[in-house]
Amino acid sequence: QQQVKQSPQSLIVQKGGISIINCAYENTAFDYFPWYQQFPGKGPALLIAIRPDVSEKKEGRFTISFNKSAKQFSLHIMDSQPGDSATYFCAASSKQAGTALIFGKGTTLSVSS
Amino acid sequence: DGGITQSPKYLFRKEGQNVTLSCEQNLNHDAMYWYRQDPGQGLRLIYYSQIVNDFQKGDIAEGYSVSREKKESFPLTVTSAQKNPTAFYLCASGPTGGTDEQYFGPGTRLTVT
Repeated sequence: QQQVKQSPQSLIVQKGGISIINCAYENTAFDYFPWYQQFPGKGPALLIAIRPDVSEKKEGRFTISFNKSAKQFSLHIMDSQPGDSATYFCAASSKQAGTALIFGKGTTLSVSS
Repeated sequence: DGGITQSPKYLFRKEGQNVTLSCEQNLNHDAMYWYRQDPGQGLRLIYYSQIVNDFQKGDIAEGYSVSREKKESFPLTVTSAQKNPTAFYLCASGPTGGTDEQYFGPGTRLTVT
């Protein structure tokens, strides 16, 4: 019940296309859902995050869509660029339960020019 | 210059030796974390600390030890009891006590032969 399942494992998108990465969770106590971006050899960087009181959050070309009833959330990267090529991790935590962030296994995105 | 520093970036040790990885933050964050990253495994929580002089085991604490004597510092010792210590180790910190936002350091790549 503590798992966060992320798909796909890898993704290839044409420049200018939309990249979509999905995550699913079981624990209904989760109340914070961030996405991290990681370049090779670097630490993950917080990209965007959402809480369950909203269904969508947009920051620039990055959008999180959140479906509370389905216990799913996704990251959409609009107008994908070669510089977006990286590994993306979703995560979830519960302040009520006092859990630290639980991460998905990551999606490696390659944007071809 | 604020942030999280990890040193060294690369570390090489012989099997059977203990090794300590450094993590320092000047963000005045209460919570600090250690994760291990292996290819295809995502980020797995080793230990975390919500306050000075207190820490909790994560999912894969066996073979590791930590201390939290100062708010700014959370060193991780990889002991000889850790069966497969070669990995990329990431330290993170967060402003609240144990959940929500986490910010990562640049990581230390440990190779044990």
